[in-house]
Amino acid sequence: AQSVTQLDSQVPVFEEAPVELRCNYSSSVSVYLFWYVQYPNQGLQLLLKYLSGSTLVESINGFEAEFNKSQTSFHLRKPSVHISDTAEYFCAVFTGGGNKLTFGTGTQLKVEL
Amino acid sequence: EAGVAQSPRYKIIEKRQSVAFWCNPISGHATLYWYQQILGQGPKLLIQFQNNGVVDDSQLPKDRFSAERLKGVDSTLKIQPAKLEDSAVYLCASSLAYEQYFGPGTRLTVT
Repeated sequence: AQSVTQLDSQVPVFEEAPVELRCNYSSSVSVYLFWYVQYPNQGLQLLLKYLSGSTLVESINGFEAEFNKSQTSFHLRKPSVHISDTAEYFCAVFTGGGNKLTFGTGTQLKVEL
Repeated sequence: EAGVAQSPRYKIIEKRQSVAFWCNPISGHATLYWYQQILGQGPKLLIQFQNNGVVDDSQLPKDRFSAERLKGVDSTLKIQPAKLEDSAVYLCASSLAYEQYFGPGTRLTVT
């Protein structure tokens, strides 16, 4: 069975500073990887995904994540955060065999002025 | 394209009462999911439908939770009777393939 670990429950950062949210997964089969963002009192929105091909994937609002198979990681990065990036971020893994998405426990990103 | 719709957005009930949540997925999405998200945790899958058939309900507490998806479109999740530990956000999602689209969720408070 697959599992997802997000070691940091909260990450405070000042505006315009870089940030990295860590995600590690365990799975014995090929996986698809996702980052979702959840703003207060809203559902989850897909931020970016890795299905195949280039290991570096980007979102339209400046986030990027790199799939590292040897380290079983899919860390999320942004070189310069904005106050509006304050939200909870969830890493998730999908395996075709189980045909379901397994989520990490989430990382609360708090951007301060 | 309209997103996943859920109602109500908020619900407060007393323990031992019953409650029902409704979800209307994105048109054409065959797969529908119900998740439970307890404060401070990631979403946990309760049940997965493919059209109107159940694919996975291994995490659904069947003694109190039930769900149906009549005609393979919208779905209802019911809790009867509710317990204090059922306080959570209930998320509905739908998908065509790997990418799941989530509704805004229903926040349930059991007192």
